[in-house]
Amino acid sequence: SQQGEEDPQALSIQEGENATMNCSYKTSINNLQWYRQNSGRGLVHLILIRSNEREKHSGRLRVTLDTSKKSSSLLITASRAADTASYFCATGNAGGTSYGKLTFGQGTILTVHP
Amino acid sequence: NAGVTQTPKFQVLKTGQSMTLQCAQDMNHNSMYWYRQDPGMGLRLIYYSASEGTTDKGEVPNGYNVSRLNKREFSLRLESAAPSQTSVYFCASSEEVSGWVVGGYTFGSGTRLTVV
Repeated sequence: SQQGEEDPQALSIQEGENATMNCSYKTSINNLQWYRQNSGRGLVHLILIRSNEREKHSGRLRVTLDTSKKSSSLLITASRAADTASYFCATGNAGGTSYGKLTFGQGTILTVHP
Repeated sequence: NAGVTQTPKFQVLKTGQSMTLQCAQDMNHNSMYWYRQDPGMGLRLIYYSASEGTTDKGEVPNGYNVSRLNKREFSLRLESAAPSQTSVYFCASSEEVSGWVVGGYTFGSGTRLTVV
């Protein structure tokens, strides 16, 4: 079963626009992460936000986390054609001995047109 | 370059054949994972290893076995391949300290497996 569910499934924008992707999850987490996957490649870690954090920034990326709503969003500002990829959220469950084990969502396909 | 190395990159098997997917990391990470990625399904955890000498089942372990050979290497074995195991397989590693993750996963480039 999938813990994280991304929305929208696909997003198409023009270069220079902002892209926002959302992720909802069901159970308590200790961290939430976002990954990018270019076609035919492995996943690349973008950003990690812990359950006691509300917002993090990394370059053109901004991630928010609302644990009361069990949701997160990834904002990419001033998008570029090179940002075209699939984006996945992944959650690390709280408690037990799960440690670093992550559950991934199905991803959002982002297409940025030049 | 530091990272996670997977071999082979591509493989075609006949139903019933066996094979081992190899994975090695050179970042001294404690934890290693095997995921499979199918269209529309995201990534699903097959097995993971929190430390050398330990392995645990993930969400979809049936039909697979794993070996954590040492801290660097974590292999995935298909004993009798089935068409349902056609997928892209990813190995990943990560570091945790006292139950807290330190950074994210580092993924390998994947193995594209087709079972006919």
